[in-house]
Amino acid sequence: EVQLVESGGGLVQPGWSLRLPCTASAFSFSNYWMTWVRQAPGKGLEWVANIKQDSSEKYYADSVKGRFTISRDNAVNSLYLQMNSLRAEDTAVYYCARIFYYENGVYPAIDYWGQGVLVTVSS
Amino acid sequence: DIHMTQSPSSLSTYVGDRVTITCRASENIGRHLNWYQQRPGQAPKLLIYGASSLQIGVPSRFSGSGFGTEFTLIIASLRPEDSATYYCQQSYGALTWTFGQGTKVEVK
Repeated sequence: EVQLVESGGGLVQPGWSLRLPCTASAFSFSNYWMTWVRQAPGKGLEWVANIKQDSSEKYYADSVKGRFTISRDNAVNSLYLQMNSLRAEDTAVYYCARIFYYENGVYPAIDYWGQGVLVTVSS
Repeated sequence: DIHMTQSPSSLSTYVGDRVTITCRASENIGRHLNWYQQRPGQAPKLLIYGASSLQIGVPSRFSGSGFGTEFTLIIASLRPEDSATYYCQQSYGALTWTFGQGTKVEVK
């Protein structure tokens, strides 16, 4: 069964950095685009970033561009989110997720999600 | 950026009722529209991809339709386990995605 397990969350002060790892198992990690999605407490889902299989393409939401970096290490089946200059509004549960391209690669959607990790930014 | 607007933001109705949720995109996204269900305390779950295709394992009472800027998720006959928040998400162009704000469905 496909599994995605996030870690690295916790309480940090504004301006600090944090790195979230996500370990994937039971699928060929290197064959899939991957994504991070977050959800502030009591709020809706917000897409954060996507990364291509070989890391040659990365895309970010405007709210995190220049502060967050998505990366991956296919050798150890891991996805990462490096978060710098954290703000109170970055407080959220962060989900690591897999992107699947349906209908012969035409329609991407998120088909598997981790359980999420909470990041709290507060002084 | 493409903005997604869902309506209603919440609804409360009875077991067996038909539920319709609408999602509007700020520009033409073709069929690049997905629907997710999120139960309290759980990660989201994919229901519909490509606007109208049912994800494997999703009950057939769920259906999606639409093209361009107007999309609809229908639950044909509501069940208690359908209590959840439903999100649309556009996956069109340049891989910068956006979600709708969500529709909370309460089953009375």
